[in-house]
Amino acid sequence: GQNIDQPTEMTATEGAIVQINCTYQTSGFNGLFWYQQHAGEAPTFLSYNVLDGLEEKGRFSSFLSRSKGYSYLLLKELQMKDSASYLCAITGGGNKLTFGTGTQLKVEL
Amino acid sequence: SAVISQKPSRDICQRGTSLTIQCQVDSQVTMMFWYRQQPGQSLTLIATANQGSEATYESGFVIDKFPISRPNLTFSTLTVSNMSPEDSSIYLCSVEGKDTQETQYFGPGTRLLVL
Repeated sequence: GQNIDQPTEMTATEGAIVQINCTYQTSGFNGLFWYQQHAGEAPTFLSYNVLDGLEEKGRFSSFLSRSKGYSYLLLKELQMKDSASYLCAITGGGNKLTFGTGTQLKVEL
Repeated sequence: SAVISQKPSRDICQRGTSLTIQCQVDSQVTMMFWYRQQPGQSLTLIATANQGSEATYESGFVIDKFPISRPNLTFSTLTVSNMSPEDSSIYLCSVEGKDTQETQYFGPGTRLLVL
């Protein structure tokens, strides 16, 4: 089976940096996704990590350690519009995604 | 990424009835998926909609409850049959990405409330 753990909620200040962690246990692993979901909207794709290391994309970066079953999403220069749920998802092949429960991020002034 | 639309965007239904949700993509895609997101929860895969063959259902989901059609490479439907209040949820379709097939892009979702 598969198990994915994320913190339920986090709060950060506008302009700051926040790191959202995701740990997983699975028998088969191809890669890890991060999605952003604003309330009442569909998830939007942020990143996909297959290899170990950090991938940077503007204000957002994602890190993966396959040996540790660990990933994080790093958000820099936080803006109010970054308040959303951040979903970690893994794929073990066959295009099937298994989602974590999501981390609700609240950005405050 | 592809442009994905869903109909209806929302509906309120009576228990015991059925609702068919449509998913339309603006380009041909091989893989289409249907997910459910119950209130306050994350996404759960219902099934993979296969063109030209029966859908592949995940554990806990059956064809009698969630029949799926995939008549071509741009369209799919999901029917929620014999609804109960527990079926109140957001139903989303997703498609594979053109650049990276492992990446999935989601439609806007259908918000269903069953009374």
